[in-house]
Amino acid sequence: SQKIEQNSEALNIQEGKTATLTCNYTNYSPAYLQWYRQDPGRGPVFLLLIRENEKEKRKERLKVTFDTTLKQSLFHITASQPADSATYLCALDGENDYKLSFGAGTTVTVRA
Amino acid sequence: GAGVSQSPSNKVTEKGKDVELRCDPISGHTALYWYRQSLGQGLEFLIYFQGNSAPDKSGLPSDRFSAERTGGSVSTLTIQRTQQEDSAVYLCASSLQQVSTDTQYFGPGTRLTVL
Repeated sequence: SQKIEQNSEALNIQEGKTATLTCNYTNYSPAYLQWYRQDPGRGPVFLLLIRENEKEKRKERLKVTFDTTLKQSLFHITASQPADSATYLCALDGENDYKLSFGAGTTVTVRA
Repeated sequence: GAGVSQSPSNKVTEKGKDVELRCDPISGHTALYWYRQSLGQGLEFLIYFQGNSAPDKSGLPSDRFSAERTGGSVSTLTIQRTQQEDSAVYLCASSLQQVSTDTQYFGPGTRLTVL
């Protein structure tokens, strides 16, 4: 079965720096990958989707890369702000066209 | 507009009791998902509803878990004879269509604690 691994440790960074999160997967070749943000006590919120034929995608201060050879996605938050503090989840399409498989998430804390 | 709502927000119950969790999806969304999120774990898929099609129940962990969706809208997840390992946050999500590229909109979740 497919396995998804995200940074196991929380990420603490200084405001203004770039946060880089990793999402590695095995035993599967997803057609696309999604990133979500989750704040404490809230449900995840969709941020970005990147397809297997796309190397990079950007949205405001967010950048996602997708390397199907390395089986890895990188999620970058540039010019980070304290408001970016949250847990970030990656999700892959599953064995059929409606299921998503989620990683455990990486918690980011941005210090002012 | 209104997002996905779930009730109750918190539920504390005793081992062996039955619980019902409710989800109100976004109006017009045909697809509805239930997930379970345990501490430090990823979201675990439980069940999927799409229109009038038979639900995908492949993620339900045991026969103590069941769910229904009435009239293609509101859904309830029922856990019978709750166990302590059922303690988790139960999240509901809906999307406009059935394909997983479509954005899933999540509710705030129900935190279930089984004593």
